[in-house]
Amino acid sequence: DAKTTQPTSMDCAEGRAANLPCNHSTISGNEYVYWYRQIHSQGPQYIIHGLKNNETNEMASLIITEDRKSSTLILPHATLRDTAVYYCIVRSFQKLVFGTGTRLLVSP
Amino acid sequence: DAGVIQSPRHEVTEMGQEVTLRCKPISGHNSLFWYRQTMMRGLELLIYFNNNVPIDDSGMPEDRFSAKMPNASFSTLKIQPSEPRDSAVYFCASSTWGRTDTQYFGPGTRLTVL
Repeated sequence: DAKTTQPTSMDCAEGRAANLPCNHSTISGNEYVYWYRQIHSQGPQYIIHGLKNNETNEMASLIITEDRKSSTLILPHATLRDTAVYYCIVRSFQKLVFGTGTRLLVSP
Repeated sequence: DAGVIQSPRHEVTEMGQEVTLRCKPISGHNSLFWYRQTMMRGLELLIYFNNNVPIDDSGMPEDRFSAKMPNASFSTLKIQPSEPRDSAVYFCASSTWGRTDTQYFGPGTRLTVL
């Protein structure tokens, strides 16, 4: 499974965009990039996924570089409820391999 | 939709006792996953099933751990005998079977082994 590298923690002001980076330089051509988040000790929550095109849904946008070696999750208007650990995962078929994630703290 | 249901939500037991964790997947989902989360090791996949058949149990730590899925709406994860190092939060997730199908997680069972 391809490994991912994420910053340990990030801060963001409420109402501003949160940009969470992820490096996945060993990703192979058929592997997808997935993002999940975990709020406090709840079960992980799916956010978004993509292969090579940029994706957007009601929660976030995912920007994948052309060489697919890195990606950025964008929360356009962060709220206090977005404080969580965000996991970037390179998915190989059914398995999700979670790394240590980025702890995002959104402050007033 | 009720989502993935796990029981119990909290379990406290003594070392050596048998522990059974339960999971009810989302109706219509045919894949089920068991994960464990600890501070030291993070979130780990233990085992997953497709159509009630175990596909990959390479994450099961020891023979003390066993998982079953007798039907499409129920799965158990059993630890016998339990040890203090088994203390963790155990999550169950379900999905349909496909390369990009989303896994939906339950609220977890917090297990404490004294």
